[in-house]
Amino acid sequence: DSGVTQTPKHLITATGQRVTLRCSPRSGDLSVYWYQQSLDQGLQFLIQYYNGEERAKGNILERFSAQQFPDLHSELNLSSLELGDSALYFCASSQEGGTSLSTDTQYFGPGTRLTVL
Amino acid sequence: AQKITQTQPGMFVQEKEAVTLDCTYDTSDQSYGLFWYKQPSSGEMIFLIYQGSYDEQNATEGRYSLNFQKARKSANLVISASQLGDSAMYFCAMREGLSSGGSNYKLTFGKGTLLTVNP
Repeated sequence: DSGVTQTPKHLITATGQRVTLRCSPRSGDLSVYWYQQSLDQGLQFLIQYYNGEERAKGNILERFSAQQFPDLHSELNLSSLELGDSALYFCASSQEGGTSLSTDTQYFGPGTRLTVL
Repeated sequence: AQKITQTQPGMFVQEKEAVTLDCTYDTSDQSYGLFWYKQPSSGEMIFLIYQGSYDEQNATEGRYSLNFQKARKSANLVISASQLGDSAMYFCAMREGLSSGGSNYKLTFGKGTLLTVNP
C-alpha cells in the first residue's frame, strides 16, 4: 500500500458526460501528479500540483482540468467525455516537487479505471 | 525520439533464476533520475528502485539492482532469484531537469516489459 488513495476504483459513463476523479496524497506529501495510462499512448503525464498551485502541465486536454485543495487532496475533472478517454488514471504524490536534487520518489495510487461507452 | 526505450516487450524466466530487463534513455541533462516501477495484473504501480545520475554506486533494493552505465545511457533492472510473484509489467522512467532548478518533475515512462516467471 503506497499510502495514496484514489476514488472511485472503477467508473463507467457515457460519451459527453463529465466525471471527477479524486486523489488523497500520502501524509506529508505536497505534490500531486496525474497520469493517464492507455493501450495506445502508454503512461502519459497530465499535470502536477504543488502545495495547491499548478506546477507543470503535460499532455492534458482542454476538456480536462484539475485542482489541489488546501488539505492537499486533488481532483481531476474530465468533461465532454469521448470513447478515447477510456483509460486508467493514476494519481501519484511526492514529498517535494520543488527544486531539490533529492530522489523525490513519486508513489502511485491504485488508479481509477474509466470506461466511456 | 523516444526518451525511454525498453526493447523487450516480453521476457520469460525460470523461478529462482536472475533476469535483466533493459532500459536505455535519452537526455541532454546532466542531472536526472531513473526509476523502475512494477505493475502487476491488479493494476497498481509499485516503486522498486531509483538511480540518480550522479550516484557512483549502482542502486540496490533487496532482490532488485540497477545496472547503471551512464556513458551508454542504460539503466537495466536486475531481479535476482525470481519468484512467481515477480510476474508483472515493469516500467523504466526518467525525471529530467533537476540541475536547472526547473519545475519539470514529470516522469517519462517507457512502454514496459512484461515479465513472466515460470515455475
